[in-house]
Amino acid sequence: SQQGEEDPQALSIQEGENATMNCSYKTSINNLQWYRQNSGRGLVHLILIRSNEREKHSGRLRVTLDTSKKSSSLLITASRAADTASYFCATDELTGANSKLTFGKGITLSVRP
Amino acid sequence: GAVVSQHPSRVICKSGTSVKIECRSLDFQATTMFWYRQFPKKSLMLMATSNEGSKATYEQGVEKDKFLINHASLTLSTLTVTSAHPEDSSFYICSARDWQGGNQPQHFGDGTRLSIL
Repeated sequence: SQQGEEDPQALSIQEGENATMNCSYKTSINNLQWYRQNSGRGLVHLILIRSNEREKHSGRLRVTLDTSKKSSSLLITASRAADTASYFCATDELTGANSKLTFGKGITLSVRP
Repeated sequence: GAVVSQHPSRVICKSGTSVKIECRSLDFQATTMFWYRQFPKKSLMLMATSNEGSKATYEQGVEKDKFLINHASLTLSTLTVTSAHPEDSSFYICSARDWQGGNQPQHFGDGTRLSIL
């Protein structure tokens, strides 16, 4: 069943602008992860934020997590045309061997050169 | 970083054919592998979780006799779509995790596009 819901579903911005994508979920989580998918390819892991963390950075990426609102945001700063892809949030609800991800529907990001 | 190889990348075959897809972890041991199905412009749907040396755990609504999963070693899991029909056409993606604990990312293969004529 669908857990994460990303917002917006599609985003088009100019190169150099920042892109903000949001994700909401419904249940308690162990961690939340963001992935990127280029058309026709597999997913690439971007960043993982644990339930006891509030913010995390990786290069041009900044992820926040608000467990009280059950939401997360992914910010890509100084976007590039190469950032054009689909972005998915995924929640990990269980620990240990039973851990598995539930993906949102994804956000299509288009960065215009 | 961790690399997962999925093969083949594309299959086109006639209805009734069985198709095997391989997923290999190249530089780490994957105690758990996952098989997903993705429809065009849609999210990933988890089909089954594959644990090395044991039977796969299938998600609700996924036919285990239709989608046979084997995870015989710590670096290889296979998905066989038996007697495939046009409705089985889809993008199938595998992923692997390099240990059983939580708070670890999954590493994905590049997917297999299956087209049944």
